[in-house]
Amino acid sequence: DAKTTQPPSMDCAEGRAANLPCNHSTISGNEYVYWYRQIHSQGPQYIIHGLKNNETNEMASLIITEDRKSSTLILPHATLRDTAVYYCIVRVAYSFTGTASKLTFGTGTRLQVTL
Amino acid sequence: KAGVTQTPRYLIKTRGQQVTLSCSPISGHRSVSWYQQTPGQGLQFLFEYFSETQRNKGNFPGRFSGRQFSNSRSEMNVSTLELGDSALYLCASSLAFGTGENIQYFGAGTRLSVL
Repeated sequence: DAKTTQPPSMDCAEGRAANLPCNHSTISGNEYVYWYRQIHSQGPQYIIHGLKNNETNEMASLIITEDRKSSTLILPHATLRDTAVYYCIVRVAYSFTGTASKLTFGTGTRLQVTL
Repeated sequence: KAGVTQTPRYLIKTRGQQVTLSCSPISGHRSVSWYQQTPGQGLQFLFEYFSETQRNKGNFPGRFSGRQFSNSRSEMNVSTLELGDSALYLCASSLAFGTGENIQYFGAGTRLSVL
């Protein structure tokens, strides 16, 4: 799986948009970009994923650059409850060895939302 | 719909003992994966089960084992506990196996402390 690079920490004011970048310059054409977050000592929570196109759901938007080498997770109106560690994960769509299922977590970005 | 349920939530054991952790996946999900989270190593993949068979295994010693039952519930066992096994053990379930398209949903985890 391609490796990802994320800033270790970011701050965001409550009510503002939080834009979390992720670099995945070695991503291949059959690899998804996934985002999870983990609020202190809880299990990771799925946020969104995409392959090539931008995606939006009720939690966030995912913007993937045209060359797919980087992406941005956008939380449109951050609240204090969005304070968490955010993980960007690249995950192969299919593998003959069946290893496509596993998630390889990096160190993530610690997002602190403040008043 | 109930989420992934892990029991117990907290566990204290002493070195040399063994421990069994339990995971009930989301109804209808047939794949269960286990992860270990420690401050030093982060989130690491342990193994994945689908249709009662281990499909993938991470880089952990043989003291770590698991199984899956016909109802998709899974257990993991750690024998001869070491201090370094103290961690948050997370279970994740997904509909199927072998593809990066299947979203994994995590439980709250079992926090194991080895004294």
